[in-house]
Amino acid sequence: DIVLTQSPGTLSLSPGERASLSCRASQSISNNYLAWLQQKPGQAPRLLIHGASSRAAGIPDRFSGSGSGTDFTLTISRLEPEDFAVYYCQQYGKSPWTFGQGTKVEIK
Amino acid sequence: QVQLQQWGAGLLKPSETLSLSCTIYRGSFSDYFWAWIRQPPGKGLEWIAEINHGGSTIYNPSLRSRVTISVDTSRTQFSLKLTSVTAADTAMYYCSQVALAGNSLYNYWGQGTLVTVSS
Repeated sequence: DIVLTQSPGTLSLSPGERASLSCRASQSISNNYLAWLQQKPGQAPRLLIHGASSRAAGIPDRFSGSGSGTDFTLTISRLEPEDFAVYYCQQYGKSPWTFGQGTKVEIK
Repeated sequence: QVQLQQWGAGLLKPSETLSLSCTIYRGSFSDYFWAWIRQPPGKGLEWIAEINHGGSTIYNPSLRSRVTISVDTSRTQFSLKLTSVTAADTAMYYCSQVALAGNSLYNYWGQGTLVTVSS
């Protein structure tokens, strides 16, 4: 199985700051089939990015994804209060699809 | 904000079968696929299975022998069955739909069903 390792585990930032979250895969992800999801407490996840860099419908442009192969990054250009949440990366290039362990973005 | 509706039993005894269903959101989409994902309390996400509009399925090998995902012929709902449950299957179970329209990808989720396995 492809193991996804996210870093850091927790990111403490203030509203308005820039957030950079990392996702590293144990092997190259075919076709850059890498997604980013956001999850708030008590809620279902929400897809933000697919194909490493394409925003899902309705996602604000302050969210952007980059990377290829084994190294991927989610960037939130300016944190809004509603962006404080847990973020997961997910690969769907090779079955079984797998998730990273998550990065919590908390208010500093 | 579209939310899929999911339903099924929330409390099971060991060895019983988990059965969950989820509505499908129909729109002007060119393609669809549907999936089940679970999340043990306080832990991360685990993908269980996926089925596409044509009925092709993919399963997590770790659960393959116990899982069936299906979609009804009218494409109004899709379902999950997990046999011989144990305490390790206790989790929040989510249904998810991905739909494509042109170059846009839409993703919808159910509200989640907490399934507890306990004797």
